Amino acid sequence: QKEVEQDPGPLSVPEGAIVSLNCTYSNSAFQYFMWYRQYSRKGPELLMYTYSSGNKEDGRFTAQVDKSSKYISLFIRDSQPSDSATYLCAMSAGDDMRFGAGTRLTVKP
Amino acid sequence: GAGVSQSPSNKVTEKGKDVELRCDPISGHTALYWYRQSLGQGLEFLIYFQGNSAPDKSGLPSDRFSAERTGGSVSTLTIQRTQQEDSAVYLCASSSGFSGNTIYFGEGSWLTVV
Repeated sequence: QKEVEQDPGPLSVPEGAIVSLNCTYSNSAFQYFMWYRQYSRKGPELLMYTYSSGNKEDGRFTAQVDKSSKYISLFIRDSQPSDSATYLCAMSAGDDMRFGAGTRLTVKP
Repeated sequence: GAGVSQSPSNKVTEKGKDVELRCDPISGHTALYWYRQSLGQGLEFLIYFQGNSAPDKSGLPSDRFSAERTGGSVSTLTIQRTQQEDSAVYLCASSSGFSGNTIYFGEGSWLTVV
């Protein structure tokens, strides 16, 4: 079993849809949770950062962490074609960072 | 610098040749990471440097891979006797080194072994 599980997709949605991306993990020591967005042939860029359990909202993006279930989510509201990218979840207990495989998202106009 | 800088951005090399990939982290960042990403795959951890501590080399796939970090700043990842399965994008990232601090990636070095 991988430490971090993420469905690689691909996921295709129409413009304006609500997108839900998820990861599960096994290491209960993880406290820091991140989502990165990676456009084609680019490096990953930090999208959202959350410490411990709870929700965090930034514009159209909402990150949720449920430590009791070892489950994190990223919601994208009113999705746009420019959101088409690969989304990677990441988590750490300190300096030791672990990544999911990434979910490839396509938002169709 | 403003961001993590990697060079070369693209490299095509013949099987059996050695390659060097360079990473210049964000100024002041003490932690530096190398990851490998194969087509359609997630990020594979290779090596981690933190300040003057001994690097965590646990992710290096074979003894053909090595990395060094001179003066606590610039890092070089060296792949000796390259194989076709080494073809991937090699991503460097840096962070301030504090627990839980986020890491910032470069654009990657895209390596193709022919």
